[in-house]
Amino acid sequence: GAVVSQHPSWVICKSGTSVKIECRSLDFQATTMFWYRQFPKQSLMLMATSNEGSKATYEQGVEKDKFLINHASLTLSTLTVTSAHPEDSSFYICSASSGRPPYEQFFGPGTRLTVL
Amino acid sequence: GQNIDQPTEMTATEGAIVQINCTYQTSGFNGLFWYQQHAGEAPTFLSYNVLDGLEEKGRFSSFLSRSKGYSYLLLKELQMKDSASYLCAPRTGAGSYQLTFGKGTKLSVIP
Repeated sequence: GAVVSQHPSWVICKSGTSVKIECRSLDFQATTMFWYRQFPKQSLMLMATSNEGSKATYEQGVEKDKFLINHASLTLSTLTVTSAHPEDSSFYICSASSGRPPYEQFFGPGTRLTVL
Repeated sequence: GQNIDQPTEMTATEGAIVQINCTYQTSGFNGLFWYQQHAGEAPTFLSYNVLDGLEEKGRFSSFLSRSKGYSYLLLKELQMKDSASYLCAPRTGAGSYQLTFGKGTKLSVIP
């Protein structure tokens, strides 16, 4: 149990375009999902916390108008990188909390975004 | 603010035991997680400590001292597949599910 999927697993796009990444909890309902970004050899950096049916909470320094998050259902959250630029190239990972003790996060396989 | 400190890299021999230390300073504390991350993949959950002491789980054990802001992950009978990064992640705030990840310790297991 506790499987989280992410789609696509990798994407290459041109500068200025928008990219949507989907995160799904396959066998459990996730009231809370998280979006992280990880640059090579760096730690996971939390971008935002996504709560079903409400607005996402963004971490300091993360532009909410650039990284649009929608958590429309208990099993789906989406991250849209708008007007992507080369500096947005990174590994984006979502996770979902089971909502039960010990409230561990289950991670999706990640999406590698390359902006040309 | 949050500060998490782990060694950047470690090397150990197949079959040996290795201990990965983590010290943390956080505003609030509500448990500590250890995750394993293979290169290019997402992290997978290894262990969770909320009370002081040792939690054993097969070849992996994790220890926590809340008063010292210290945890370690102990890996026994190392296997080549254990070569990965190990992330220390304290959780802050009662009722919060948020984790703060350290930079991780890259463990290389050699024959």
